[in-house]
Amino acid sequence: DTGVSQNPRHKITKRGQNVTFRCDPISEHNRLYWYRQTLGQGPEFLTYFQNEAQLEKSRLLSDRFSAERPKGSFSTLEIQRTEQGDSAMYLCASSLVVPGQRIFGPGTRLTVL
Amino acid sequence: DQQVKQNSPSLSVQEGRISILNCDYTNSMFDYFLWYKKYPAEGPTFLISISSIKDKNEDGRFTVFLNKSAKHLSLHIVPSQPGDSAVYFCAASVDVQANNLFFGTGTRLTVIP
Repeated sequence: DTGVSQNPRHKITKRGQNVTFRCDPISEHNRLYWYRQTLGQGPEFLTYFQNEAQLEKSRLLSDRFSAERPKGSFSTLEIQRTEQGDSAMYLCASSLVVPGQRIFGPGTRLTVL
Repeated sequence: DQQVKQNSPSLSVQEGRISILNCDYTNSMFDYFLWYKKYPAEGPTFLISISSIKDKNEDGRFTVFLNKSAKHLSLHIVPSQPGDSAVYFCAASVDVQANNLFFGTGTRLTVIP
């Protein structure tokens, strides 16, 4: 297992378009997290899954954002009708329930023009 | 509302000397603290953690100190090496299994050869 992978690594889109990112966690990890990091800030929690169940969503996750984890394996994060304020690095992480240390992927950098 | 703060955005240290990175938090419910290191174009990498029942945890060149009464923790790197140059994030949660990890804004460490 080579760790957490994310695709694409970079995405440039025009305002109003929809984008989808994919995260492949470490195979035996049952928890999967999405974070957003903007310039000069630390990662901010968006949502997390335990297996296929989405158990918590941050207030940062507006109605335009949706995340799925079908079959409890990979996850997708979709942003509809992108806005310039959505420009950020989107990080995925996975972990076992115990211990709770997350392994992060390299992130997807989104630029909304 | 920044619950975890890293007030020094950058730090430069000579190779071989000690690097001290500081972190303050405001939420007294935080019980588990972590440090992550981030290189450009990579996701954060877990470095070291400490739970509130301890005031010190050591792993090789890295030591984390926790002062719960002051709501302050620090990361000491001795001796500092050029490969340690990265952005360091402090993070906190209410327990080791908590899904929501709160990150500071990061400190960029530069170790000068």
